[in-house]
Amino acid sequence: AQSVTQPDIHITVSEGASLELRCNYSYGATPYLFWYVQSPGQGLQLLLKYFSGDTLVQGIKGFEAEFKRSQSSFNLRKPSVHWSDAAEYFCAVGALQGGNEKLTFGTGTRLTIIP
Amino acid sequence: KAGVTQTPRYLIKTRGQQVTLSCSPISGHRSVSWYQQTPGQGLQFLFEYFSETQRNKGNFPGRFSGRQFSNSRSEMNVSTLELGDSALYLCASSAGQSSYNSPLHFGNGTRLTVT
Repeated sequence: AQSVTQPDIHITVSEGASLELRCNYSYGATPYLFWYVQSPGQGLQLLLKYFSGDTLVQGIKGFEAEFKRSQSSFNLRKPSVHWSDAAEYFCAVGALQGGNEKLTFGTGTRLTIIP
Repeated sequence: KAGVTQTPRYLIKTRGQQVTLSCSPISGHRSVSWYQQTPGQGLQFLFEYFSETQRNKGNFPGRFSGRQFSNSRSEMNVSTLELGDSALYLCASSAGQSSYNSPLHFGNGTRLTVT
């Protein structure tokens, strides 16, 4: 069965520090990859996506992610976080499984920013 | 363009009752997906509709049902409510035919509390 793993449940970083959120998946072929962000009391917002092509993709709010096929990873990065980046981040993977189209979300990583 | 609208925002129901949640997708989007979000289980897929047809269904009991209308608006219904149904229910629409390879646009959710 396909799976998406976000190994870090909670991360705390200082404002201005760099950030990397991890996402690993298990699928046979190259899946469709997404990162979403959820602020408290709100729905999810798409940060970026990878379908094909350049493995480093740029998203909104200064985020980027890199697809590494050999590591089955799609980690999210930001060079310098802002207090407004405090939120929960979800990695999602879309793939065909047994002929069925399936989108699977990771369990999320909660990001706390300290001044 | 207006975003995904979910109504109501908050609901309080008693065990055994039934509830109907509504979702209006972004104009032009014909695909609508529903998710249940809880602190313990994360985001769980309920169902997906495209042009009034259910394309995919998650592993939820038959008490959970949904439908999509010709104007792409969608409703989900939960009958015989249980305490464990307390959750944030999120609706998302997409421009593509399937959510697995098309970015999702989420509403702010309906917070259901079952007492």
